[in-house]
Amino acid sequence: GENVEQHPSTLSVQEGDSAVIKCTYSDSASNYFPWYKQELGKGPQLIIDIRSNVGEKKDQRIAVTLNKTAKHFSLHITETQPEDSAVYFCARIAGSSYKLIFGSGTRLLVRP
Amino acid sequence: DGGITQSPKYLFRKEGQNVTLSCEQNLNHDAMYWYRQDPGQGLRLIYYSQIVNDFQKGDIAEGYSVSREKKESFPLTVTSAQKNPTAFYLCASREGGKLFFGSGTQLSVL
Repeated sequence: GENVEQHPSTLSVQEGDSAVIKCTYSDSASNYFPWYKQELGKGPQLIIDIRSNVGEKKDQRIAVTLNKTAKHFSLHITETQPEDSAVYFCARIAGSSYKLIFGSGTRLLVRP
Repeated sequence: DGGITQSPKYLFRKEGQNVTLSCEQNLNHDAMYWYRQDPGQGLRLIYYSQIVNDFQKGDIAEGYSVSREKKESFPLTVTSAQKNPTAFYLCASREGGKLFFGSGTQLSVL
């Protein structure tokens, strides 16, 4: 189907630990996978994205991995900091479609 | 400052009333979107517009209407037909596959 399944729905980690959020999809035509961070009372902001011809992408403390065979992609945050606390959404887009399909979100809490 | 501006930040609707949420962008993007966000849930697409004077229904368009008379503006009207309008509404514009969001409007029913 169209949906993107995102897990876990909540995640609590100690400052300095790593956090991993995973999303799965079923549409083989999906070719673009962005991750958004939403702070309280604000709109989501793109933090990293990956295309289907790439297996991994890093940007400082965040990384995204894509397994096309298994149809899942994950967000990895290393050395977490309290300011990483937010809701994170994965999404996918298929081909030339206008449509971005979002996961249900993961609330990340980083404990100082 | 380039970006997406939504107003107002908070809006209250009375029974039977239509209300309009404003969305303006100065990013020169052709495509614009409206999403609805309910507590603890993901974003659901209400309407989208790929170009001026054109728009299409998203997944939950019932009870909503839009217009796209100018490239910069994509207002959303929540009509009295929308029986459960309380939610956080997000407007976005798109460049390639990337969405740029406004800061949202929280709509509540009095």
